Amino acid sequence: SQTIHQWPATLVQPVGSPLSLECTVEGTSNPNLYWYRQAAGRGLQLLFYSVGIGQISSEVPQNLSASRPQDRQFILSSKKLLLSDSGFYLCAWSRDLKNTEAFFGQGTRLTVV
Amino acid sequence: AQRVTQPEKLLSVFKGAPVELKCNYSYSGSPELFWYVQYSRQRLQLLLRHISRESIKGFTADLNKGETSFHLKKPFAQEEDSAMYYCALSGGNQGGKLIFGQGTELSVKP
Repeated sequence: SQTIHQWPATLVQPVGSPLSLECTVEGTSNPNLYWYRQAAGRGLQLLFYSVGIGQISSEVPQNLSASRPQDRQFILSSKKLLLSDSGFYLCAWSRDLKNTEAFFGQGTRLTVV
Repeated sequence: AQRVTQPEKLLSVFKGAPVELKCNYSYSGSPELFWYVQYSRQRLQLLLRHISRESIKGFTADLNKGETSFHLKKPFAQEEDSAMYYCALSGGNQGGKLIFGQGTELSVKP
């Protein structure tokens, strides 16, 4: 069966520090991968998605970047965190663009102080 | 603009009462609509989608294109239904690229 792992679960980082959140999927190949963020009082917003290794699409302008160095690995990064980067980050995968069911990780609660 | 609106942040009902979680959307085209649910300390997961036309855990949702709504309903709420519910939409061939509403927290009291 397929599983998705996301870590860490919680993170407190100072303003200006770098960020790296990692997500891996097991049990499937060539998944579509996604990073979502939920800011306080708002719904989940799609940040990035990837349909293959090295292929990243950004949905909103922001201070973050994403990379997909391996087929089942998706990384969310920042060189210098801002206070506004605080939020709940969710990684997700789907089988392909035709299959619209998304499977989510446990999420990372990021607090920038 | 593409948007999903869930007007209620919190909905509180008593066990056995009917429940309706509202969802309205704005989308130019024919979207696919979903309800996702997150129970306490669990992952966000798919509850149901409009194309399946099925009842899951007693919940149903009908897509009303005229009113651009996709309300989630259950005739008799149970305490285990307490959770965070998100309405979401996806365009054709968009995979897991979902537009989510703000979410509604459902609290079912004994």
